[in-house]
Amino acid sequence: GNSVTQMEGPVTLSEEAFLTINCTYTATGYPSLFWYVQYPGEGLQLLLKATKADDKGSNKGFEATYRKETTSFHLEKGSVQVSDSAVYFCALSNYGGSQGNLIFGKGTKLSVKP
Amino acid sequence: GAVVSQHPSWVICKSGTSVKIECRSLDFQATTMFWYRQFPKQSLMLMATSNEGSKATYEQGVEKDKFLINHASLTLSTLTVTSAHPEDSSFYICSARDLQVLSNQPQHFGDGTRLSIL
Repeated sequence: GNSVTQMEGPVTLSEEAFLTINCTYTATGYPSLFWYVQYPGEGLQLLLKATKADDKGSNKGFEATYRKETTSFHLEKGSVQVSDSAVYFCALSNYGGSQGNLIFGKGTKLSVKP
Repeated sequence: GAVVSQHPSWVICKSGTSVKIECRSLDFQATTMFWYRQFPKQSLMLMATSNEGSKATYEQGVEKDKFLINHASLTLSTLTVTSAHPEDSSFYICSARDLQVLSNQPQHFGDGTRLSIL
């Protein structure tokens, strides 16, 4: 079946440090891949997405590349800020089968210290 | 962009009462809405999928008589936690799927409801 595995947190970084949060997936067919961010006390916001192999999603300095050969979608940012502190969820959606249902990883909490 | 409004954002009530949470799509029509539950420091657990005009589909282990879902229109779904108890305390999040732009983003999320049962 479909599943998403992401690195466990929490991840604590100093401001301006480089961030990588690993995400790998298992899926049938050709899923779309997403990163969602959840700020404290809020719902989920779409951060970026990629719909096919080798696509790179990017937003707010974050990037992730859809790697079919390694079934990965790692999230990166070159220089994190305190305001990036949040929980990050990797997710996949297989439109063909489940009509857009999302399958989430367990989430990775990021704390950025000034 | 597509907006989903969830209300209330925070509710505290006594054990044994019923609590209704509303989820509205403000600027698009959504035939399907999803209800999630999130425990502290854990991922989102899909509780049920709500389809307009039909019965909701519940995930395994979710009590349908405990968590009543109604999706009476293309813009509104409600989740009622009946006879709530402290173990029902959690963060509940809804999402809605946009019929018109299915390929852009599969679901748009509300801001969640923090439910605390005393």
